[in-house]
Amino acid sequence: RKEVEQDPGPFNVPEGATVAFNCTYSNSASQSFFWYRQDCRKEPKLLMSVYSSGNEDGRFTAQLNRASQYISLLIRDSKLSDSATYLCVVNAGYGNKLVFGAGTILRVKS
Amino acid sequence: NAGVTQTPKFQVLKTGQSMTLQCAQDMNHNSMYWYRQDPGMGLRLIYYSASEGTTDKGEVPNGYNVSRLNKREFSLRLESAAPSQTSVYFCASDRNGNQPQHFGDGTRLSIL
Repeated sequence: RKEVEQDPGPFNVPEGATVAFNCTYSNSASQSFFWYRQDCRKEPKLLMSVYSSGNEDGRFTAQLNRASQYISLLIRDSKLSDSATYLCVVNAGYGNKLVFGAGTILRVKS
Repeated sequence: NAGVTQTPKFQVLKTGQSMTLQCAQDMNHNSMYWYRQDPGMGLRLIYYSASEGTTDKGEVPNGYNVSRLNKREFSLRLESAAPSQTSVYFCASDRNGNQPQHFGDGTRLSIL
């Protein structure tokens, strides 16, 4: 089983739609969780950290369910500019390492 | 604000050639990382350096060596390049590990 698993998609949605991605992780000792965004042929960039109580940043909401070991990202009112690959990232539970999921592709169409 | 700078951005090598990928950060970060990214596989950690003077293997270290030259610089060396090492290589850094990492633009490496 992969340490971090994501549905690769692609998710094809119209502008204005609400879309949600889930990610599962295998190491129950993981303590840090992040969502990154990666545009085509570019470097990953931090979208938001994920906190235990859930957190929101504008149109983006992240939630953590430790009992079920999954993380979610909700995007409301999708924009064309949201089209990208979204990477779920979890710390390895030991050492300094982060483990990256393979990513979920989002395509927002007009 | 340069952040994390990688050189070169593109490189084509022949099998068996050697080369060094350079990475420098100007954020006074302690931890630095080298990843490779292949289609459908996400980012895989090659080597990392938790602090100046230390390096450790990641998930896919075979065929690579690293040097943490000083706090700013972390280089990745391919001693004898193989076609399986064709990939996009990213360098990243963070303050002390398990924190959001800042990435360089990447090096696109093709080995023929």
